[in-house]
Order: sequence, then structure tokens, then C-alpha cells
Amino acid sequence: GDSVTQMEGPVTLSEEAFLTINCTYTATGYPSLFWYVQYPGEGLQLLLKATKADDKGSNKGFEATYRKETTSFHLEKGSVQVSDSAVYFCALTSGGSEKLVFGKGTKLTVNP
Amino acid sequence: DAGVIQSPRHEVTEMGQEVTLRCKPISGHDYLFWYRQTMMRGLELLIYFNNNVPIDDSGMPEDRFSAKMPNASFSTLKIQPSEPRDSAVYFCASSLGPSNQPQHFGDGTRLSIL
Repeated sequence: GDSVTQMEGPVTLSEEAFLTINCTYTATGYPSLFWYVQYPGEGLQLLLKATKADDKGSNKGFEATYRKETTSFHLEKGSVQVSDSAVYFCALTSGGSEKLVFGKGTKLTVNP
Repeated sequence: DAGVIQSPRHEVTEMGQEVTLRCKPISGHDYLFWYRQTMMRGLELLIYFNNNVPIDDSGMPEDRFSAKMPNASFSTLKIQPSEPRDSAVYFCASSLGPSNQPQHFGDGTRLSIL
């Protein structure tokens, strides 16, 4: 079945550091790929998405590129802020199904 | 625009009691999803509806769990009888569909069964 693997956390960075959270996937069909973010005490929010190969999703300084050849969708940000502290989830839908398949989440803490 | 609204935000009850969680999706969204989040198992899809009809309930853990969507603006998730292992955060989400559209999540109900 479809699956998403993302790097284990937690990740702790200093403010203005570069962030990468790795995400790879396995899908039987042609997936759409998503990154969601969950701030403490809140539900998940869509951060960015990409629906076809080589698409780059971007939002709030975060970027991720849909790499079909490596089945990856790594999340990057050039300079993190304390306010970016949250849990980040990589996810996919595939085969026309509405079901989101999530990775286990990566907790990011950014220290001032 | 109003997002997905869930109630209650917190629920504490004793084992054996009936628990009802409520969700109002975003107006115009055709799909509604119920998730459960725990530290051990992460995010699990329990059930989802399309146009008020249950499409996939394979994630519902057992017969103690039931979900309904009587109309396009309201859904419930019921646990009867509740058990301590049901303690979790339950999220409702809605989307326009098709599958490349994002799901919009509510803030969740934190359920504690004593």
C-alpha cells in the first residue's frame, strides 16, 4: 500500500538556521504530495502542496519539490524563526482516493 | 471564512459512558473526514464521507465507534461504551475534493476517558 516516510525527530535548531526535513513516499498511482503543519493545541494546516513531478510548492518561506525519480518531497527553509516551532507532516493522496496517507510527523523546535 | 468547527474542545468522562463528538464542515465542502491522533499511533483516518454518504469506514476500530452525517453541515462521531484506550485527540476535516485538494482541519477534541 501507499506509505510516507519522514525523518525522525525531534529537530532542534537555532533561529536563522537552515531547515531540511526529509520525506520519501511509496505510491501505486501518481500521488499528490502535501506538507501540513500542526502548532501546539491546534489542528493541522496545509503548508504547501505539489500535484505533479518537478512542481515546487512554496509558502511562508518553506519550499518542497516533487521529485518523481527519487520519490521524495523534502521540506526546506533557508532561515527558520522561533514561530516555526511545530510538528510537520508529509502526506500524499493517490489513485484518485481522497484518503490522506501521513508520515509520522517531525517535531521542530527553534531556539532564539 | 469560518473553518471546520468541532465541539467540544475537551471532554473528560468515565469509562463506560457514551461520548459524542461533533463537527461542522466548511460550507460547500463535499468530503468530511474523522481522524484520531495519539502519540503511539500518530494520525489515523477513521472514516470519511462524500456528500453525506460513508465511503470508507475501514479505520473505525470496532463496533463501539459509529459516525453519522445527517446533512451537509453536521457530523457526529460516537463512542459507546467508551474505554480508557479511546483517549486521544479527534480531528474532523473537510475538503472540496478531488484528491489533489487539501483537507481543512478543525482544532480537534481532546478526549480523556478515566
